[in-house]
Amino acid sequence: DAKTTQPTSMDCAEGRAANLPCNHSTISGNEYVYWYRQIHSQGPQYIIHGLKNNETNEMASLIITEDRKSSTLILPHATLRDTAVYYCIVRGNKLVFGAGTILRVKS
Amino acid sequence: DSGVTQTPKHLITATGQRVTLRCSPRSGDLSVYWYQQSLDQGLQFLIQYYNGEERAKGNILERFSAQQFPDLHSELNLSSLELGDSALYFCASSPRVEAWGNIQYFGAGTRLSVL
Repeated sequence: DAKTTQPTSMDCAEGRAANLPCNHSTISGNEYVYWYRQIHSQGPQYIIHGLKNNETNEMASLIITEDRKSSTLILPHATLRDTAVYYCIVRGNKLVFGAGTILRVKS
Repeated sequence: DSGVTQTPKHLITATGQRVTLRCSPRSGDLSVYWYQQSLDQGLQFLIQYYNGEERAKGNILERFSAQQFPDLHSELNLSSLELGDSALYFCASSPRVEAWGNIQYFGAGTRLSVL
């Protein structure tokens, strides 16, 4: 499984877009990029995933660079309830969770 | 609500004891995964079952074992418990066995405290 690098923490103002970056320079051609989040010891929650193209769902958008070596998760209008640890995972045959990014949304 | 049910929510036991954690996957999901989350280790994959068969193993100790029953629910058995086994244990389920494009849905977890 490819290794991912994420910032340790980020702050975002409520109502603004939160842009969470992830580097995955060793990603293989058939590995998907997944994003999960974990709100204070709750079970991890699936957000979005993609292979090559940008993806959008009701929760977020995922922007993957053309060379696939990095991606950005975008929460378009962050709320206080979006405060969580966000994990970027490049999936081979199992989910490998790193340390993630602690996102703090502040009013 | 992910549709994955884990019981019990909390478990307090003593060192040397044995406990069983239970997981009911989402309706229709054939794969079940177990993860351990401790303060110093983060989320660690333990084991995967698909339709009753073991499919992948992670960092699971020999004192731990799991199984998936014909009705697809799964149990994680932890024996000879040590203080260091205190952690959150999560179960996840997904519809397929393969990794590509497969989404895992997690339960709320079981918090195990070994005293």
